[in-house]
Amino acid sequence: DAKTTQPNSMESNEEEPVHLPCNHSTISGTDYIHWYRQLPSQGPEYVIHGLTSNVNNRMASLAIAEDRKSSTLILHRATLRDAAVYYCILRGNDMRFGAGTRLTVKP
Amino acid sequence: DAGVTQSPTHLIKTRGQQVTLRCSPKSGHDTVSWYQQALGQGPQFIFQYYEEEERQRGNFPDRFSGHQFPNYSSELNVNALWLGDSALYLCASSKLAGLNTGELFFGEGSRLTVL
Repeated sequence: DAKTTQPNSMESNEEEPVHLPCNHSTISGTDYIHWYRQLPSQGPEYVIHGLTSNVNNRMASLAIAEDRKSSTLILHRATLRDAAVYYCILRGNDMRFGAGTRLTVKP
Repeated sequence: DAGVTQSPTHLIKTRGQQVTLRCSPKSGHDTVSWYQQALGQGPQFIFQYYEEEERQRGNFPDRFSGHQFPNYSSELNVNALWLGDSALYLCASSKLAGLNTGELFFGEGSRLTVL
């Protein structure tokens, strides 16, 4: 299975942008890149996904490298409610999580 | 529209016992996946059900089994419980048609403690 590598933790100040990196050097041509986040005491929730082109939605932006071996989730203005564990996942026939990045947002 | 619902929310078992966890998918979804999440770790994929059959399976022993019913709801069964099975068990639903692209919707999980 293709794997992803993310930093264990990151910190951000409130109202500032956050760039969460993910490496996936063994990605296959049919794998979609998905991001989920998990707030304390909740199940994971969908954030965004993409295949080759950069994607934007109301929650975040996803920047995908041209060779697709890495991607970056961008939160444009972090809020305290964005504090969570963020998972970068390659989705083929199933979806397997890694350890994720724990994002701390400081007021 | 109810999302994914799981029951029970919490339960305590002793070693050697058996447990059944239940999941109702989001309306309109036909595929159910189960995950185990130990404390401080990411969710680990157990298996996925579609059309009442197990379609994909993660690296879990046969003690973990499941079932999907005609109404798309699902059960996870774990036999011969041991301490290491203590975890949050998450159910996620999706549409098979959008397997690579569609969102997975997760329930809030069933927290199992094995004593």
